[in-house]
Amino acid sequence: DAKTTQPTSMDCAEGRAANLPCNHSTISGNEYVYWYRQIHSQGPQYIIHGLKNNETNEMASLIITEDRKSSTLILPHATLRDTAVYYCIVRVVGNQFYFGTGTSLTVIP
Amino acid sequence: EAQVTQNPRYLITVTGKKLTVTCSQNMNHEYMSWYRQDPGLGLRQIYYSMNVEVTDKGDVPEGYKVSRKEKRNFPLILESPSPNQTSLYFCASSPRWQETQYFGPGTRLLVL
Repeated sequence: DAKTTQPTSMDCAEGRAANLPCNHSTISGNEYVYWYRQIHSQGPQYIIHGLKNNETNEMASLIITEDRKSSTLILPHATLRDTAVYYCIVRVVGNQFYFGTGTSLTVIP
Repeated sequence: EAQVTQNPRYLITVTGKKLTVTCSQNMNHEYMSWYRQDPGLGLRQIYYSMNVEVTDKGDVPEGYKVSRKEKRNFPLILESPSPNQTSLYFCASSPRWQETQYFGPGTRLLVL
């Protein structure tokens, strides 16, 4: 099963880059890595996804290692509104999605 | 506006009283899914649907039923709710199964 491992919590100073790691050592060759975040108890929000190349959009950058066993989500200039739980997801057996418990990121003023 | 809607948003019920939580999306998405979220356990997938009349179990399907008779709707049915089904429930949809999922606002359920 291509499940993921993330640190339970992290802190980041406001204005600095937040680097959130994720291990997915059993990922298959055609499985994408997705990142979502959840603020309070709202519905999770899509951030970014990638297969094997690094990706960047207006919210974040995604760095995937060459062996695809891990990835890092980078929020380049964290703000207080980025305080949330961040989920790294890959597809599990069949067509399920396994969210796990995510990383609780606290941005400190 | 493109969105996923859930109803009701909050529900208090008693053990054994059948209930349905509705989910509807207006984006013509093929893939729909239900999740529950509990403290310390994160988001867990209950059921998902690849398309109309195609549904399958997720991580925690026990005690739940779903149906997908129309593309836009994916109701979650609790035939005989129990207190361990007290949770925050999210519905999600995506154009196809491995694409970006869009989540509803959540339904907070309390079973007494």
